[in-house]
Amino acid sequence: EVQLLESGGGSVQPGGSLRLSCAASGFTFRNYAMSWVRQAPGKGLEWVSTISTTGGTTYYAESVKGRFTISRDNSKTTMYLQMNSVKAEDTAVYYCSKGRGAPRNWYFDLWGRGTLVTVSS
Amino acid sequence: QSVLTQPPSVSGAPGQRVTISCTGSSSNIGAGYDVHWYQQLPGTAPKLLMYDNSSRPSGVPDRFSGSKSDTSASLAITGLQAEDEADYYCQSYDNSLSGWVFGGGTKLTVL
Repeated sequence: EVQLLESGGGSVQPGGSLRLSCAASGFTFRNYAMSWVRQAPGKGLEWVSTISTTGGTTYYAESVKGRFTISRDNSKTTMYLQMNSVKAEDTAVYYCSKGRGAPRNWYFDLWGRGTLVTVSS
Repeated sequence: QSVLTQPPSVSGAPGQRVTISCTGSSSNIGAGYDVHWYQQLPGTAPKLLMYDNSSRPSGVPDRFSGSKSDTSASLAITGLQAEDEADYYCQSYDNSLSGWVFGGGTKLTVL
């Protein structure tokens, strides 16, 4: 079955760190760019970060640049999001998604169920 | 404030046709980047509904159609059904922000 499964969410204090994982199965993981998209409670979708097939190129939203790091391990078919110096506004459900299409015209054709990150003291 | 502007809500009776607009600018839709659409049913993850402006993934009914013109795009739903009640999001790329952007989302209510 083609699926993405996020894990690692939970509660963290402001200024703390958290590492999210996304385990992929059912497709050739190394052939696709992967992304994180988040959704704050009751709000819309916000693109967070994207990583190329080899991991050699990464992209970040301004809101997380310098604090979050995206990475992937193709041998484990897993993507990660290291979240450092978290802020209250990082509270959201974080979705892992698979990218398709030409670069810059990428769309997200497969989504995980999401993992909730709550930043609170 | 989202880079792509969508109406917060639209509604229609079963069987009717509704459209959802997505207005951008010269740095995203107007720059020639494609528009994609997602459907998010209550309590679930988003699902790809339309890609490359007007292409439907396998399994999406042909009641759904998409178009793009200049700096805007639209999603049309004909033969409205109760199961279509959901949030809908448009998405594109923005070269000023050097990243991918979503619209603020539109809540569709089937009356």
